[in-house]
Amino acid sequence: QKEVEQDPGPLSVPEGAIVSLNCTYSNSAFQYFMWYRQYSRKGPELLMYTYSSGNKEDGRFTAQVDKSSKYISLFIRDSQPSDSATYLCAMGPNQAGTALIFGKGTTLSVSS
Amino acid sequence: EAQVTQNPRYLITVTGKKLTVTCSQNMNHEYMSWYRQDPGLGLRQIYYSMNVEVTDKGDVPEGYKVSRKEKRNFPLILESPSPNQTSLYFCASSNDLDDEQFFGPGTRLTVL
Repeated sequence: QKEVEQDPGPLSVPEGAIVSLNCTYSNSAFQYFMWYRQYSRKGPELLMYTYSSGNKEDGRFTAQVDKSSKYISLFIRDSQPSDSATYLCAMGPNQAGTALIFGKGTTLSVSS
Repeated sequence: EAQVTQNPRYLITVTGKKLTVTCSQNMNHEYMSWYRQDPGLGLRQIYYSMNVEVTDKGDVPEGYKVSRKEKRNFPLILESPSPNQTSLYFCASSNDLDDEQFFGPGTRLTVL
């Protein structure tokens, strides 16, 4: 089993839809969980950061971590065309120094 | 403006011709790393550095070298590039292992 699994999609939704993006992981030592957003031809940018189980909300975005199930989610409410991007989950710590393990990313397209 | 810069942004080269991709950050970050991003494989760490003169291998270090002589710079060196090193490369920096990583804009390398 890979350490971090993320469905690559692509995922296509109409504007205004609620989007759910998910990752599962196998390493129970992971303590911090991040979601990065990557637009085409750009570097990833941090979207959400959580350090424990539970929910964290920031505007239209909610990050959810369930450590007992080794499952994290990112919800996007009222999705907009500007949300079209690749979303990467990341978590750590990995072995000393490598810090983060990334999922392969889910490509989202929001049509107007 | 806080940023990570990479040069060049695009590079086409031939097998065996040594090249260097530069990376510089202006945030006084301790931790810097290099990733490559390939379709279906996601982001994979090549090398990382916890501080000046301290570097170590990531998940896919073969064929690459790095150096960290100054805190702000972390060049990636390909001494004898091969076609399987054709990829999109990202430099990233952070204040600590569990902090947000700031990514550069990427370098698209093609080795013929």
